Amino acid sequence: DARVTQTPRHKVTEMGQEVTMRCQPILGHNTVFWYRQTMMQGLELLAYFRNRAPLDDSGMPKDRFSAEMPDATLATLKIQPSEPRDSAVYFCASGLVSAGPQNIQYFGAGTRLSVL
Amino acid sequence: DAKTTQPNSMESNEEEPVHLPCNHSTISGTDYIHWYRQLPSQGPEYVIHGLTSNVNNRMASLAIAEDRKSSTLILHRATLRDAAVYYCILSAASNYQLIWGAGTKLIIKP
Repeated sequence: DARVTQTPRHKVTEMGQEVTMRCQPILGHNTVFWYRQTMMQGLELLAYFRNRAPLDDSGMPKDRFSAEMPDATLATLKIQPSEPRDSAVYFCASGLVSAGPQNIQYFGAGTRLSVL
Repeated sequence: DAKTTQPNSMESNEEEPVHLPCNHSTISGTDYIHWYRQLPSQGPEYVIHGLTSNVNNRMASLAIAEDRKSSTLILHRATLRDAAVYYCILSAASNYQLIWGAGTKLIIKP
C-alpha cells in the first residue's frame, strides 16, 4: 500500500531552534507539495516541486523557510530560526504531473510542530 | 483561480444518504472538480473528481450540474467514519495546484 511518509510526526522545539521536516513521496511520483495547516488559515500551499525542481515557493516565508529535494525519494522543509507563529501541522503530498488537471494529490499524515 | 463556495457545516444521521453541495459559478471549461476529505488528525485524502459527467467510485458519487456551476458530493450511506471536513476544489488545466477553501464539516449523528 503506497503512501507518503512524513517524519517526525510530532516536534516540540524552542524558539530560535532549527527544525527539519522530511517527506518520502510515493515511488514514481514526480510532484511534491508542502502545505501548512492552522485553525486560522486553513491549508496553505508553501512550495511545489516537479521532477525535484522547485516551481513555486511563493507561499513560503523566504527569510526563514527553505525547501529542497536532495533526491527523488526525499523532500525536506527547514525552518531556521523557528518562531512560535510557525506552530502548525505541516503536510507533504505527492502526485503525478502527467495526469494533468486530474492530478490526484496523496497526503502524508503530517508533522505537528509546536514552537515554544 | 476559480473559487468554490460550500456550507460551513452539515449534519446527517448515520446510515442515511448525504448530499454535500458546492457552488463554483466562475469555473472555466477546462477546470476539473475535485473532492477531498480530511478526517480528524489525518491528512486530506482524495475522494472523487470529474469534469462534466457524473462520476461514481467506491467512496462516493459526484453529480455535476449541466452548466457546471455547481456540484454535489453524494455519500450513499453515511457512517460515523465519514465524519470529516469535505473540500470541493477546482483544478485548473494551467497548473497542478489545488486551492483549498474552508470546506464543509460533516457531522454524523448515531
